[in-house]
Amino acid sequence: ETGVTQSPTHLIKTRGQQVTLRCSSQSGHNTVSWYQQALGQGPQFIFQYYREEENGRGNFPPRFSGLQFPNYSSELNVNALELDDSALYLCASSWGASGSLSYEQYFGPGTRLTVT
Amino acid sequence: AQRVTQPEKLLSVFKGAPVELKCNYSYSGSPELFWYVQYSRQRLQLLLRHISRESIKGFTADLNKGETSFHLKKPFAQEEDSAMYYCAFRRNRDDKIIFGKGTRLHILP
Repeated sequence: ETGVTQSPTHLIKTRGQQVTLRCSSQSGHNTVSWYQQALGQGPQFIFQYYREEENGRGNFPPRFSGLQFPNYSSELNVNALELDDSALYLCASSWGASGSLSYEQYFGPGTRLTVT
Repeated sequence: AQRVTQPEKLLSVFKGAPVELKCNYSYSGSPELFWYVQYSRQRLQLLLRHISRESIKGFTADLNKGETSFHLKKPFAQEEDSAMYYCAFRRNRDDKIIFGKGTRLHILP
């Protein structure tokens, strides 16, 4: 059984640029959620994808967008980067029968994004 | 707005002493509550949830709707319990999970 993987491990971007983060879900999982974790804070829910469609979103602006692919891997895209976007971005996968967010989420190691 | 509060950023406890990590939530309904844990250099993982009423690694947590609390307890702390603990909550199974800011538990030898 393969766990959740994320790439890259860390990256540095300049304000105004765009970034794409990637996540491979755990084998057998069909739901992916993305979280932003700023320093000293708990993870904040960005959005969830179930069977390639977004079916839940937190309080994040539209410049945060995502995709889920047929193999259930996922991407998080952030446009027009701002300094406050600097954070650890976590991906979590789970299995859901109808898109409801399973509490039994398996987290990836995260991608550390620094915006300068 | 729904919120989860963990009042302690850091909690230091001697090995063998009891542990209580506090968690309060703001919601008038019947939520689901969870505790997640992150050990050093490991991933965030689910520790326990209130529905199952189970004990994991000696930890238990009881949902107190009157006090809107879900404190995590262990009678005798062990050094391997040192970690970051996050209380989390959701209104129902279709809702997003809201995390607290976390409490770092440091077990002293």
